[in-house]
Amino acid sequence: DAKTTQPPSMDCAEGRAANLPCNHSTISGNEYVYWYRQIHSQGPQYIIHGLKNNETNEMASLIITEDRKSSTLILPHATLRDTAVYYCIVRVAGGGADGLTFGKGTHLIIQP
Amino acid sequence: EAGVVQSPRYKIIEKKQPVAFWCNPISGHNTLYWYRQNLGQGPELLIRYENEEAVDDSQLPKDRFSAERLKGVDSTLKIQPAELGDSAVYLCASSRARGNQETQYFGPGTRLLVL
Repeated sequence: DAKTTQPPSMDCAEGRAANLPCNHSTISGNEYVYWYRQIHSQGPQYIIHGLKNNETNEMASLIITEDRKSSTLILPHATLRDTAVYYCIVRVAGGGADGLTFGKGTHLIIQP
Repeated sequence: EAGVVQSPRYKIIEKKQPVAFWCNPISGHNTLYWYRQNLGQGPELLIRYENEEAVDDSQLPKDRFSAERLKGVDSTLKIQPAELGDSAVYLCASSRARGNQETQYFGPGTRLLVL
């Protein structure tokens, strides 16, 4: 069973920040939060991951609450190409090669 | 570097026919995965290889599905015979040797339609 809860869909205006929430209230201390996205007709693409500190890379920022029960993926300036399904996944530390457990994700639609 | 390559991209077959999917992982990636993705759902792991060894095939329906990775590089996933419910996208992914948090890189998938 997926350990995360995400809204099924969200809209965001082009050029604005897209904030995608994820609840993982049963996360363990040794589990990371991962985000992948899947653009239509493509395979999933890694975005970012974190344990407890906020993380930022060239694609996005990840904000994890202090109690680690929820997180938010932020796309700072959304473009039409960011329209995709976004998956929030929890994954145990040290399980580097284990398969990923995907839920249904959030379908983010960027509006022009 | 080249990404994960899968072929064919699309396949339409009649039920009870056999079908095979091929995957070439990223060069140097020892771990290879096959996932199945049903319409409107996230991908589900079918099998994971470490080099040529299948280390997790608990979700592979072994009555009709088989997979191989003979030389620890390319892999083939086969279904025989196919059923209507096998219509899905079959995704291959790869990652480097076991590490703390290895990123998985996915191919574009093979979209199978069983009629």
